[in-house]
Amino acid sequence: NAGVTQTPKFQVLKTGQSMTLQCAQDMNHEYMSWYRQDPGMGLRLIHYSVGAGITDQGEVPNGYNVSRSTTEDFPLRLLSAAPSQTSVYFCASSPYPQPYYEQYFGPGTRLTVT
Amino acid sequence: GQQVMQIPQYQHVQEGEDFTTYCNSSTTLSNIQWYKQRPGGHPVFLIQLVKSGEVKKQKRLTFQFGEAKKNSSLHITATQTTDVGTYFCAAPYGSNDMRFGAGTRLTVKP
Repeated sequence: NAGVTQTPKFQVLKTGQSMTLQCAQDMNHEYMSWYRQDPGMGLRLIHYSVGAGITDQGEVPNGYNVSRSTTEDFPLRLLSAAPSQTSVYFCASSPYPQPYYEQYFGPGTRLTVT
Repeated sequence: GQQVMQIPQYQHVQEGEDFTTYCNSSTTLSNIQWYKQRPGGHPVFLIQLVKSGEVKKQKRLTFQFGEAKKNSSLHITATQTTDVGTYFCAAPYGSNDMRFGAGTRLTVKP
């Protein structure tokens, strides 16, 4: 099993550009989530999904969209990139909806918006 | 804002010294999880605590959940350079998500 994979590893965007961060898992996990990590602020939840076709907002959803058409994939879309979205983005999955099960994290995408 | 407050933010120790990080909540928690993130890496699950007063050990790591289920701690005995990283606690928020503490970054001097 590859676990949770994320692409790309690094990305530089100009303000106003849009892009999609990809996340996939091969563990047949129902729950998937996106976090951003900024220095001194830990991990903050952006969006999550409890299964295909079901998504919900987390702590910091503004400026991001998600969809979950399959169990395996959970892409994160930046609609119009802003410098405040410079961060490291982690995707995670769990066998069942939180909060009682461990989450498996992908390797992350380091995004810089200029 | 964050559900749990984690202290200290940074801890620098000499190899062989002990290390402790604390997580505090203003509300009673159903459970708490701990993760470790190595520099440049991704968070990795360490353990989950569910019961009041629960104590769990993993080799040199000891995890505790307070009697009131409002606080938790992670204690490392005789730190090694392999312990370097940031340790996060995570607690439930709402029905389907977890909120992470800000983390404690541990550095170890050989």
